Amino acid sequence: EDKVVQSPLSLVVHEGDTVTLNCSYEVTNFRSLLWYKQEKKAPTFLFMLTSSGIEKKSGRLSSILDKKELFSILNITATQTGDSAVYLCAVGKYGNKLVFGAGTILRVKS
Amino acid sequence: GAVVSQHPSWVICKSGTSVKIECRSLDFQATTMFWYRQFPKQSLMLMATSNEGSKATYEQGVEKDKFLINHASLTLSTLTVTSAHPEDSSFYICSAEWRGNSSGNTIYFGEGSWLTVV
Repeated sequence: EDKVVQSPLSLVVHEGDTVTLNCSYEVTNFRSLLWYKQEKKAPTFLFMLTSSGIEKKSGRLSSILDKKELFSILNITATQTGDSAVYLCAVGKYGNKLVFGAGTILRVKS
Repeated sequence: GAVVSQHPSWVICKSGTSVKIECRSLDFQATTMFWYRQFPKQSLMLMATSNEGSKATYEQGVEKDKFLINHASLTLSTLTVTSAHPEDSSFYICSAEWRGNSSGNTIYFGEGSWLTVV
């Protein structure tokens, strides 16, 4: 059975802190790993990772994939209150299905 | 980036009635769209894969006669919740695959639809 496990389940930090969110997976027919940010509505796309060891960066966010150890991390530096959200990790399979983790709830306090 | 539009954003209906939710890819063609359901404080669960011009593929445990999916064109898929009951109240989200650049394909989500059945 396909599994995507995210940790921690929730996290509270202060503005300016750096956070690392983890995602491990056991999925057949792996194609890609995606990170999404979900606030009140539908998820918004952050990153898609397909190759090991290549960091993707967007502003204060970065992510990397390790296909040998089957995990990915999402880093957020200099956190802001606007970063408060649920961060979802999903594995894309061939056939285009996404298998989601339960998400990490991040709360950034001012 | 690619845009997926979903309508309505929220709907309240009476128990026993049917509700239709639309999902449109606004600036790209999507031969495949996906429908998810998300209950409060839970992750997204795939309900079905909507294929343009053919029948949808449903995940195990999802009643195909209750959740009717139609993918009539390359930019539109609809989900109809038939004979809705209060337990069908949930957040329904569609997604579509953007067959993008050399970096690969990316899946974008609609804004989601809150369904409340009273």
